[in-house]
Amino acid sequence: SNELTQALSMSVALGQTATITCGTDNIGSKEVHWYQQRAGQAPVLVIYRDSSRPSGIPDRFAGSNSGNTATLTITRVEAGDEADYYCQLWDRRWMFGGGTKLTVL
Amino acid sequence: EVQLLESGGGTVQPGGSLRLSCAASGFTFDTSAISWVRQAPGKGLEWISAINSRGTTYYAGSVKGRFTISRDNSKSTVDLQVNSLTAEDTGFYYCAKEGGHSGVYWVDSWGQGTLVTVSS
Repeated sequence: SNELTQALSMSVALGQTATITCGTDNIGSKEVHWYQQRAGQAPVLVIYRDSSRPSGIPDRFAGSNSGNTATLTITRVEAGDEADYYCQLWDRRWMFGGGTKLTVL
Repeated sequence: EVQLLESGGGTVQPGGSLRLSCAASGFTFDTSAISWVRQAPGKGLEWISAINSRGTTYYAGSVKGRFTISRDNSKSTVDLQVNSLTAEDTGFYYCAKEGGHSGVYWVDSWGQGTLVTVSS
């Protein structure tokens, strides 16, 4: 498949762990990047090259990528983590996942 | 600090044109590739165009032939001329500084976006 598949939405309780996935055939052979977009704001890079964090992104955000699934894991979820999360990779063209809306309960 | 400031958005009738501009600062502009990414209301992110440091341009199929990207290194600006607009072009247009190289690319900084509304 040449599309990046993300769940439309998920919810997680405050302080728990959120796991957001992004899937396509053999995604593990590509490098995946993740963006957070809070309501009414521009996206922000939170993970690049599968698991690297830009400066200023807390270590509660972690990424992994293997097989057919890339994963963004957010531990000790805070209210401010409520946002849309998009995966992205470049495979001869730019590709974005459809985004997952994370709700913090 | 990297800053990307978009301008030029507005409301235009179907078939109309706009020129979007991105003013960049806080990094070495002339060695950086810049993309435009748009987002329709309530929808996801869509890459639409890029220009690399050598001035080579790239377009998504949805805009090819209608949009033209250009850069002026002396002013640290990237423009996007958008023509023959339809309702499907409505949305926020983000200027995006690319990170990476050699087949691995991501956006390491985003502007705040400029809103384009196509409506009669």
